Amino acid sequence: DAGITQSPRHKVTETGTPVTLRCHQTENHRYMYWYRQDPGHGLRLIHYSYGVKDTDKGEVSDGYSVSRSKTEDFLLTLESATSSQTSVYFCASGGTGVNTGELFFGEGSRLTVL
Amino acid sequence: AQSVAQPEDQVNVAEGNPLTVKCTYSVSGNPYLFWYVQYPNRGLQFLLKYITGDNLVKGSYGFEAEFNKSQTSFHLKKPSALVSDSALYFCAVREGSSNTGKLIFGQGTTLQVKP
Repeated sequence: DAGITQSPRHKVTETGTPVTLRCHQTENHRYMYWYRQDPGHGLRLIHYSYGVKDTDKGEVSDGYSVSRSKTEDFLLTLESATSSQTSVYFCASGGTGVNTGELFFGEGSRLTVL
Repeated sequence: AQSVAQPEDQVNVAEGNPLTVKCTYSVSGNPYLFWYVQYPNRGLQFLLKYITGDNLVKGSYGFEAEFNKSQTSFHLKKPSALVSDSALYFCAVREGSSNTGKLIFGQGTTLQVKP
């Protein structure tokens, strides 16, 4: 299995506070993604990265920003958390070529915004 | 726009019986289709994919999927279900002609296999 870790795994915060979720992969994958999982919605893409300092928006990017300063690290930031951002967040990474789309997921970060 | 639909929220099957988890898709161009499994409190794991070629694709843990272009379906199947197959299953399509690996996921189907 690809080594991909997320931190923190659980976090409770208050509305209006900033939150940063971290993702670290050891497979030298070019692509990295942040998804959120909510009941009835499956997984929805927040942001993705196609290289160091190269990122783009996904389906539900409002209220989120990302940064990728190294191949192995991808950060997701909520500048001012809202209750609607209570969710389980998954980071994933993937390679290129014939394996494009075969993603390796972290264990998830459960965020509760009070 | 690409999309996938999983019409069943939950599928119940007895251990030893065959199982099918349904998925239909809508894409422009050639479909790149995937199945993932999620066990409780875990991340998703890749099961199998269809890119081109044989309509019956074999994957991990004895699962297979049948691609049907005329019915725009990509159903997940297993000849004999195990209790340990109980999990949440996601169908996904790769977005457009994108080579970035971005996937659009269905809403998921919970598979419950009873002894």
